Amino acid sequence: AQSVTQLDSQVPVFEEAPVELRCNYSSSVSVYLFWYVQYPNQGLQLLLKYLSGSTLVKGINGFEAEFNKSQTSFHLRKPSVHISDTAEYFCAVSDPAGNTPLVFGKGTRLSVIA
Amino acid sequence: DGGITQSPKYLFRKEGQNVTLSCEQNLNHDAMYWYRQDPGQGLRLIYYSQIVNDFQKGDIAEGYSVSREKKESFPLTVTSAQKNPTAFYLCASSLGQNTDTQYFGPGTRLTVL
Repeated sequence: AQSVTQLDSQVPVFEEAPVELRCNYSSSVSVYLFWYVQYPNQGLQLLLKYLSGSTLVKGINGFEAEFNKSQTSFHLRKPSVHISDTAEYFCAVSDPAGNTPLVFGKGTRLSVIA
Repeated sequence: DGGITQSPKYLFRKEGQNVTLSCEQNLNHDAMYWYRQDPGQGLRLIYYSQIVNDFQKGDIAEGYSVSREKKESFPLTVTSAQKNPTAFYLCASSLGQNTDTQYFGPGTRLTVL
């Protein structure tokens, strides 16, 4: 079964600084990968997803992620964060050959400091 | 407006009582899901349903039950057998399963007193 590891449970960063949130998944022949964002007391919203094609995926709110098959990683990046980016971020993986739902990581809480 | 609704947003119950959380979607999605969220534990899958009148247990199904009598609705019952029911519950839906984006409701925060 697929699994996802988000290496940092909390990431504090100053406003306008760059940020990287790390995500590693268990090895498989192929995977689909997702990043979701959750603002306080709300549901999750899709930021971006990788299904195939270009390994650099651009999402909403200026975020992007790079699929790295050799390192089994899908790290999320933003060159300059805003206070409004303060939220919890979840990485998720699915197996295209299987018939099971997404598997989510435990989340990374991003805190943007003014 | 298309989307997923969960009601109520906050729910309080006494220990030993069953409680049912509502989840409705008007996105015409086939698949629906229930997750439980606890601090530091991410999302854990309780039950999911790929089609009407069919559902499967997720990772933490014990103490919960579901039904899928209509495509639009996927209610979750938290029974008295669930040892630690206080949590934030999220419902989601997707067109299919593996490749499809899951769309989430706003969640229900259940507190058992």
